Amino acid sequence: DAGVTQSPTHLIKTRGQQVTLRCSPISGHKSVSWYQQVLGQGPQFIFQYYEKEERGRGNFPDRFSARQFPNYSSELNVNALLLGDSALYLCASSFQPDRKETQYFGPGTRLLVL
Amino acid sequence: RKEVEQDPGPFNVPEGATVAFNCTYSNSASQSFFWYRQDCRKEPKLLMSVYSSGNEDGRFTAQLNRASQYISLLIRDSKLSDSATYLCVVNDMNRDDKIIFGKGTRLHILP
Repeated sequence: DAGVTQSPTHLIKTRGQQVTLRCSPISGHKSVSWYQQVLGQGPQFIFQYYEKEERGRGNFPDRFSARQFPNYSSELNVNALLLGDSALYLCASSFQPDRKETQYFGPGTRLLVL
Repeated sequence: RKEVEQDPGPFNVPEGATVAFNCTYSNSASQSFFWYRQDCRKEPKLLMSVYSSGNEDGRFTAQLNRASQYISLLIRDSKLSDSATYLCVVNDMNRDDKIIFGKGTRLHILP
């Protein structure tokens, strides 16, 4: 079975632009979480979605938004990009958002903002 | 105090040695705990969950100390392939920002 897939793998944008990142969870998984990982740091939680509803939100500005589709895939949108948004964006899926559920990560999207 | 703290390392350890990492957490209401492994430029992968009674998986042993609010990871008979960054994860479903990663501990196994 395919694991978590993310697209694109790499992206270069300029300040002020908008970006959309995509994630497809493992088949059968209904929960998707998004993380931002800056070089040298651990992943920081951005959002969790389950059954198309937001179940958790990290400490990120409103420029960050996400949604989940009926097929459980998800998009992360970032508006008005800043240089500091340059990072690896990771998507993780789990069957449900239970605290004991293992999260499986995709390979990530590397975003560079110039 | 940071929510989840880890010694960033690097830990440089000879092959075959035993190495241990600790991770402290600040929220006593935290409910579940994990260790993830992340190789350079790769995504994190679950190494093991951490149970209250402690658990072992081959050469790896994880412990939870709720009274002192830390979890530990012990690696015995270390292999070159154990070289990676080890991330501590604390999960509190009662918070909006419920899933908190530490910054990771870098481990280098030396031949």
